[in-house]
Amino acid sequence: EPEVTQTPSHQVTQMGQEVILRCVPISNHLYFYWYRQILGQKVEFLVSFYNNEISEKSEIFDDQFSVERPDGSNFTLKIRSTKLEDSAMYFCASSRTSGRATDTQYFGPGTRLTVL
Amino acid sequence: GQQVMQIPQYQHVQEGEDFTTYCNSSTTLSNIQWYKQRPGGHPVFLIQLVKSGEVKKQKRLTFQFGEAKKNSSLHITATQTTDVGTYFCAGPFQGGSEKLVFGKGTKLTVNP
Repeated sequence: EPEVTQTPSHQVTQMGQEVILRCVPISNHLYFYWYRQILGQKVEFLVSFYNNEISEKSEIFDDQFSVERPDGSNFTLKIRSTKLEDSAMYFCASSRTSGRATDTQYFGPGTRLTVL
Repeated sequence: GQQVMQIPQYQHVQEGEDFTTYCNSSTTLSNIQWYKQRPGGHPVFLIQLVKSGEVKKQKRLTFQFGEAKKNSSLHITATQTTDVGTYFCAGPFQGGSEKLVFGKGTKLTVNP
């Protein structure tokens, strides 16, 4: 069964450094998402992406964040200057057709980001 | 803003006991989705409910969507140790949004 993959599984960085989290969505999916989950808390939406542009973003997704689909398979989340509070599990998700949260979103295994 | 609330936050049961988690939205939902997250794992889609009053079953799991489409429940009959994890409900943010709003989840532990 196809699945979303993410690399790395764990990223440790110093405060102020840039990080890039990578995702490979399911190949025939058209909508891509990033969510984050601070330890012990709920999953929070960051951004959705369709047709090579951001279609929706949350208030968490400020100017320090950016997303890109550099080629036909990868989808990346960049955090320009990490802060301690960016420490969280970051999940990538993708869905096949509808971006209106009616189509199932399949989540990747996550990247645990630790900012020191 | 729109909120999705879940209770209880934690539930500890003996193996074989039943378990129920409840989800309430501050707004009417077009659909509600349930996910399970094993300890250290990622959210795994379980089911989506769309119709008012809908009931769906998956083996020992029964999902209900309220008549007003603002609440939902997940009931597990005769829990097993494999049911351990956090169960999240999630709904679309305000109508035609792509954003899923998750509840805080119910963490289920099962004593063998």
